[in-house]
Amino acid sequence: EAGVAQSPRYKIIEKRQSVAFWCNPISGHATLYWYQQILGQGPKLLIQFQNNGVVDDSQLPKDRFSAERLKGVDSTLKIQPAKLEDSAVYLCASSLVASGIIWNEQFFGPGTRLTVL
Amino acid sequence: DQQVKQNSPSLSVQEGRISILNCDYTNSMFDYFLWYKKYPAEGPTFLISISSIKDKNEDGRFTVFLNKSAKHLSLHIVPSQPGDSAVYFCGARSGAGSYQLTFGKGTKLSVIP
Repeated sequence: EAGVAQSPRYKIIEKRQSVAFWCNPISGHATLYWYQQILGQGPKLLIQFQNNGVVDDSQLPKDRFSAERLKGVDSTLKIQPAKLEDSAVYLCASSLVASGIIWNEQFFGPGTRLTVL
Repeated sequence: DQQVKQNSPSLSVQEGRISILNCDYTNSMFDYFLWYKKYPAEGPTFLISISSIKDKNEDGRFTVFLNKSAKHLSLHIVPSQPGDSAVYFCGARSGAGSYQLTFGKGTKLSVIP
């Protein structure tokens, strides 16, 4: 079974530029997540999709970050304009479903390491 | 406000001995707790979970203990192997709303041969 794919793996940009990350979840996974992991911190959820609808984007800085999941499969996360503090690893994860009494494992991709200069 | 805390940034253990990684939480709404392991340049991978209605879950060399009254959980690895060297993240799922995961800052485990 193929895992969660992300691209690019690395990206270096200057502040005020824009950048986009792409994620392809595991086939059949309805729920997709974007996390931001700053060096020395744990992953922090930015946005959660259920199919192509947003379930939770309470921690997404909406003045500069946006995300979409067209057709309920692939997703893109965009930052425009980038700031120095956006330097982090951006992780995409997917799971079968998010809710319910059963724990459904989240499978993570390898991440995109963003450096903002 | 950190809802999930891992107060030890690093831990070194001799091969064959027990590794104990600790985690504290503050949110009473958490219904599932879990541990993820992360190697450099890779995404986190799921290790073990425990429901809030249990106090112990075991999977091979890995055992997670949950003490709800103390809001504390721990991961025991016995015996520790060099391949266990990684960063371990404690996470918790909110039992309501979006069921999102909240992670601690991680503990870097080094198993010395």
